[in-house]
Amino acid sequence: AQSVTQLGSHVSVSEGALVLLRCNYSSSVPPYLFWYVQYPNQGLQLLLKYTSAATLVKGINGFEAEFKKSETSFHLTKPSAHMSDAAEYFCAVSDPTSGAGSYQLTFGKGTKLSVIP
Amino acid sequence: NAGVTQTPKFRVLKTGQSMTLLCAQDMNHEYMYWYRQDPGMGLRLIHYSVGEGTTAKGEVPDGYNVSRLKKQNFLLGLESAAPSQTSVYFCASSLRTPGIGNTIYFGEGSWLTVV
Repeated sequence: AQSVTQLGSHVSVSEGALVLLRCNYSSSVPPYLFWYVQYPNQGLQLLLKYTSAATLVKGINGFEAEFKKSETSFHLTKPSAHMSDAAEYFCAVSDPTSGAGSYQLTFGKGTKLSVIP
Repeated sequence: NAGVTQTPKFRVLKTGQSMTLLCAQDMNHEYMYWYRQDPGMGLRLIHYSVGEGTTAKGEVPDGYNVSRLKKQNFLLGLESAAPSQTSVYFCASSLRTPGIGNTIYFGEGSWLTVV
């Protein structure tokens, strides 16, 4: 069974500072990995995904994430935080070898990002 | 450019009442999902469907039923609502694209309160 752990339910950064949101996964096979963002009272929007191509993945809004197999991590970063980045971020994993299960996502519990002016 | 549409957006139910949440997608996606989101719990899969006429249980299926009579619609039913079912419900859909990772598209959520 696969699982996702997001370290820190709340993260605060100053505007212009580095954003680092941590995600570690547990999976018996190299997984597919995703980051989603949720703005207040809205659904989830895909930021980026890793599907076994390049280990450094670039997404929308200046975010990127690096897949590190040795650390079983997929941390999300952005060099300079903007006020509009304040939202909740979810890391998710799927198992590409599990047949129909490869279409299911297992989500972490989320990290709420606050940006301080 | 509708994507995934959920109705209703807000609903208050009394314990024991029944209701149905409707999800519609206009992207011709094979797969559809119902998740619930609770504070500090992330999203948990209730039921999913891999095609018209098929449904399967997810992580937290108890107390819910689903139907997929048409490819574009996925209904979530609560036969006898309980306060523990107070949550935000998200419908989602995706293409059946093995090998390149599955991008799931979400609706905007349905807020359900059971009193």
